Formats: sequence, C-alpha cells, structure tokens
Amino acid sequence: EIVLTQSPATLSLSPGERATLSCRASQSVSIYLAWYQQKPGQVPRLLIYDASNRATGIPARFRGSGSGTDFTLTISSLEPEDFAVYYCQQRSDWPPQYTFGQGTKLEIK
Amino acid sequence: EVQLVESGGGLVQPGRSLRLSCAASGFTFDDYAMHWVRQAPGKGLEWVSGINWNSGRTGYADSVTGRFTISRDNANNSLYLQMNSLRVGDTALYHCVKGGFWDQVYFDSWGRGTQVTVSS
Repeated sequence: EIVLTQSPATLSLSPGERATLSCRASQSVSIYLAWYQQKPGQVPRLLIYDASNRATGIPARFRGSGSGTDFTLTISSLEPEDFAVYYCQQRSDWPPQYTFGQGTKLEIK
Repeated sequence: EVQLVESGGGLVQPGRSLRLSCAASGFTFDDYAMHWVRQAPGKGLEWVSGINWNSGRTGYADSVTGRFTISRDNANNSLYLQMNSLRVGDTALYHCVKGGFWDQVYFDSWGRGTQVTVSS
C-alpha cells in the first residue's frame, strides 16, 4: 500500500504570503497525484490533477509540481478564501487504490 | 449541472449491514468511474471504493476489503455500496464521487453525503 505523507500538518500564514505544501509518497506514483481543498462544512474541491494540471475554474495562483515521490502545491499569494484544509491523493495500480494524505491545515496567522 | 445525491445511511448496530445508494444526474453516467469516499467527524478523507464505467474493474481500501461491495446500474444512473459486518470504525459521512477514467486521479464532483453511524 502506498502511503502519502503531507507536511506540515498546519501552516500559519498571512494573506498575500506564499504557501508551500508538501506531499511525499512511500513509492513512486509517477504523475498520478491530485490536490483538493476542503473548507469547513463543504465538500472537497479538485484543484490539481496529474500533479500539475489545474482543474476547471481554479485560479492561476494555485500551482502543482513534482513527480515520482515528491510533490508540492504552491499558492503564490494567499487570498482570504484560500484558508482551508488541503489533501493530496494518489492511485496505485495493484491493488487499485486511490489513497489520500492526512491533510495540511492552512490557517490565518 | 452534475448532481450526486446519496441515501441509505442511518444508525446501525455493529455486525449489521447497510446499503448506500447514489442517484446521479447532469452527466453521462456510464462514461465515468465512480467512487465512495468517507470522512469521520473531525478527520481526513478516506477513499473507500471505486468502480469503472462498465463494472469491469473495482477497488477497495484495505479497511473494507471483504466486507463492502461496490456496484452500479448504468441504466438507472445509480451507484451502490453494500456494507456488511459493519464496525464502529466505519462511522462516517459517505460521499458519492464522480471520477474520470479508471486510471485518473480526478474526483471532480462530490455529493453532500449520507451519514452512517455504527453503534450499539
């Protein structure tokens, strides 16, 4: 089973600052990694798929990068609405599984 | 507009069974993989199970393998999750999720969820 480890668990920043979130896989997942944003009381929203492709309607300040085992979600200049929990997700071929990381909470400093 | 509406949740005793349903609309249902994802109160997301467009491929989390069965009815745009031998640890909000192709990590539409509580 491939395990995704996200860091840090909590990130405290101010609006306008740059956020860098990390996701590390226990073995290579190639580029098959996605990022999601979840705000309290809401369902998750797909931000990034295939490691670096923004989903429909996602602002350009969100950028995904990486391949293999190390991935990064960068938010270039934080807006007030960006403070939320972020999850990464991967898929494995066998057994077919689509596991999530434990999440990073991005909070207002 | 994509709509995913779950039903079938409730309070059930450990060891009992429950069947969740998801009614899908607003997209061509049999073009896409579908998944169930759960979230326990105050916890993170846990992928539970997935099924490809024609039911030829399925997958399960280790925590539910052998107890849960996913299925779909493309004629009626519906997704199901049969949950047997339920445990207290299965207590969560269960979301029906639209995927992309089977190989894609692309969960782009989520239902609001149905609550499953396992307790004696």
